[in-house]
Amino acid sequence: GAGVSQSPSNKVTEKGKDVELRCDPISGHTALYWYRQSLGQGLEFLIYFQGNSAPDKSGLPSDRFSAERTGGSVSTLTIQRTQQEDSAVYLCASSPWGGGSTDTQYFGPGTRLTVL
Amino acid sequence: AQSVAQPEDQVNVAEGNPLTVKCTYSVSGNPYLFWYVQYPNRGLQFLLKYITGDNLVKGSYGFEAEFNKSQTSFHLKKPSALVSDSALYFCAVSLYNQGGKLIFGQGTELSVKP
Repeated sequence: GAGVSQSPSNKVTEKGKDVELRCDPISGHTALYWYRQSLGQGLEFLIYFQGNSAPDKSGLPSDRFSAERTGGSVSTLTIQRTQQEDSAVYLCASSPWGGGSTDTQYFGPGTRLTVL
Repeated sequence: AQSVAQPEDQVNVAEGNPLTVKCTYSVSGNPYLFWYVQYPNRGLQFLLKYITGDNLVKGSYGFEAEFNKSQTSFHLKKPSALVSDSALYFCAVSLYNQGGKLIFGQGTELSVKP
């Protein structure tokens, strides 16, 4: 079946602009995660949605970052007033069993964000 | 703080030889351990995980990993490397009651030469 999809695959923006990154999880998966992959910081957890529970936002680096998940499916990560240090690959993952610690996460191809 | 270390930035192996990619962890509580592989311009692909039980875990593409609690390690191994195994490998840990968020190591670039 279809895997996790993300759009756009590449995004170039100017410093100070807002961007929205989209993630479509695998159908039926109840948990959704966002991670960031950058040269300086490696792979970092950003935010986690599990069903109807309040999201775990503990990894968001600043209040310029926010995310929502509509209808328990599609998620959008929004970065306001982008900075050059936001340049990274943003990865989305989903898991089938509600996001427990033993779940396997399935990753999308990522969105490469470049802030000029 | 919880952390995962992959002590080698790069591992070079000749095709047909065994390979090992090292991973150690430092966590409080019982860890759940994962290995993922990333090919260029692709997302992460799941290889295997250790949850409980047998310390030797077998996964995709002939890879296996051994959980060693006393050494806090979870090294990835394969008996005979292929050129197509060349990629970036990530070890990760998740913890009970912290949802499923993964803490990743910094990654190890595996290069398999013919």
